[in-house]
Amino acid sequence: QKEVEQNSGPLSVPEGAIASLNCTYSDRGSQSFFWYRQYSGKSPELIMSIYSNGDKEDGRFTAQLNKASQYVSLLIRDSQPSDSATYLCAGFSGTYKYIFGTGTRLKVLA
Amino acid sequence: DAMVIQNPRYQVTQFGKPVTLSCSQTLNHNVMYWYQQKSSQAPKLLFHYYDKDFNNEADTPDNFQSRRPNTSFCFLDIRSPGLGDAAMYLCATSSTSGGEQYFGPGTRLTVT
Repeated sequence: QKEVEQNSGPLSVPEGAIASLNCTYSDRGSQSFFWYRQYSGKSPELIMSIYSNGDKEDGRFTAQLNKASQYVSLLIRDSQPSDSATYLCAGFSGTYKYIFGTGTRLKVLA
Repeated sequence: DAMVIQNPRYQVTQFGKPVTLSCSQTLNHNVMYWYQQKSSQAPKLLFHYYDKDFNNEADTPDNFQSRRPNTSFCFLDIRSPGLGDAAMYLCATSSTSGGEQYFGPGTRLTVT
């Protein structure tokens, strides 16, 4: 069973701090990884995609991929209360199938 | 703006009464997906289309059917909704296999 695992949280960080969200995956064949933000009652919104080992930065967000250790992380710098949401990690496992984690709930405290 | 649109946003149906949810996209993506998401759970893939090729997940109940009459539209039919089918139904698209996947706003289904 291919799985993506995330700590459910909540992860609480003060406003302005760096939030670090982590995800591990079981399928070594996974090539593409994605981070989504999901506000309560809303649909997932794509934040970052990462396809190769290393870091990828986009504004306040940095995604990190380590295929040898099978983990993906998302760093959010200068966290804002509006960043409070559930963050879903997803990996592409082939044949059009994306495997999602259950998400980490982030709370940014003003 | 290119986007994925779902209608209705909220749907209330009675136990056993058929319901159809719709999805349209202006992204011109080849692949369209239907997911079911319940509270605090990961989105669960029900099926997907690559162009007109339909792919059903092994554990998707027979109660759920889908149609894709053209590139832009996709429908989810629930033939006899049960209380356990109450959930958020998400449509998503991607241009390629393994590429970025974009979600519509979802349809919240309530079964009474």
